[in-house]
Amino acid sequence: DTGVSQNPRHKITKRGQNVTFRCDPISEHNRLYWYRQTLGQGPEFLTYFQNEAQLEKSRLLSDRFSAERPKGSFSTLEIQRTEQGDSAMYLCASSPGLAGGQGTQYFGPGTRLTVL
Amino acid sequence: AQTVTQSQPEMSVQEAETVTLSCTYDTSESDYYLFWYKQPPSRQMILVIRQEAYKQQNATENRFSVNFQKAAKSFSLKISDSQLGDAAMYFCAYRSSSYSGGGADGLTFGKGTHLIIQP
Repeated sequence: DTGVSQNPRHKITKRGQNVTFRCDPISEHNRLYWYRQTLGQGPEFLTYFQNEAQLEKSRLLSDRFSAERPKGSFSTLEIQRTEQGDSAMYLCASSPGLAGGQGTQYFGPGTRLTVL
Repeated sequence: AQTVTQSQPEMSVQEAETVTLSCTYDTSESDYYLFWYKQPPSRQMILVIRQEAYKQQNATENRFSVNFQKAAKSFSLKISDSQLGDAAMYFCAYRSSSYSGGGADGLTFGKGTHLIIQP
């Protein structure tokens, strides 16, 4: 069990550029989640996958955001035409898909995005 | 929608003393899960303790215990024998149970409490 990993750890980009983040969940965890955390706030849920299916999206996930999880393994989160308001820590978590949603979510170290 | 409130932005405690962090939540669901997560500076979030709403017994994990008051919708975290390594942001989080018909699988977090340990 190597834990949830995220790459890159830091990303600095200019406004208007596209960025893509990657998350590798704990092996055999079939649920994967994306959150966004701004300074001084708790994480906010963005979206989640069960295997390769994206089952839920928050209203925070604007049209500029897209997430994928091909083959139900790693996931990518892409932000198009970045804005300064997108600057935040993007957290990934994974959990086993236990009945009733009992699985605890385990978090990765996050990707810190700075949009200049 | 569920909400989670942590009314203490910052708490300070002397090393080896006991501290209690408060959390209240609002929900119309009867079955759910509650969590406390710890986020040390520049480090990833780790689970401290979890509580299933259908269990009356309060969860404990070594020096960490909770006081779960379902009727009052309160979920406080007690840290005994505080250690320097306990210094971190602590987040209370809520998650629906699909058994209760709650559709949201993501966690709803409070704003966090910054815990300072005085040596």
